[in-house]
Amino acid sequence: GAVVSQHPSWVICKSGTSVKIECRSLDFQATTMFWYRQFPKQSLMLMATSNEGSKATYEQGVEKDKFLINHASLTLSTLTVTSAHPEDSSFYICSAPYQQNQPQHFGDGTRLSIL
Amino acid sequence: ELKVEQNPLFLSMQEGKNYTIYCNYSTTSDRLYWYRQDPGKSLESLFVLLSNGAVKQEGRLMASLDTKARLSTLHITAAVHDLSATYFCASFNAGGTSYGKLTFGQGTILTVHP
Repeated sequence: GAVVSQHPSWVICKSGTSVKIECRSLDFQATTMFWYRQFPKQSLMLMATSNEGSKATYEQGVEKDKFLINHASLTLSTLTVTSAHPEDSSFYICSAPYQQNQPQHFGDGTRLSIL
Repeated sequence: ELKVEQNPLFLSMQEGKNYTIYCNYSTTSDRLYWYRQDPGKSLESLFVLLSNGAVKQEGRLMASLDTKARLSTLHITAAVHDLSATYFCASFNAGGTSYGKLTFGQGTILTVHP
């Protein structure tokens, strides 16, 4: 079945560091991927929609310059948290629809901890 | 703005008992999903409900959809400890885009105890 791989699964780094998270569709092409953020014991909040070959679409309140999204190929989207601070610590999950209007397949998530 | 609300948010129940989790959504939904999330893990898809009156069952879980009431339910029958997890409903809206958007409910943290 369709699989979405996310890397790394856990990262701990110092405040001010930039962190890149990768999301890959392993056995299908994904022109669109979604990035979510989840704080402890809270729901998933859509941050942005990543579009292959074009700019990402950010949800209201999400800083474009803070969360850089690049979707350079049909199987890879990256989220870079720039100059991360402790308040950016969260669980970041990507997803990709296997086919148009089909269920999204979720990556395993990345736990980001900023000290 | 689409809102998806789950009730209850926390549920502690005894093994063998039944209970229902409710999911209300504020605007028309193209389809309704239920997901399970274990601690520290990503989401596992449980059900997708496409039309009014849809009912799907898998093991001890049964999901239904009433589009007129904008309500979906997840019914747990004879709960077992392995069902302990957080359950999310999510409304999918195509919104005229190619791949649509999912809006999640707050989640229901379910704990099943002996």
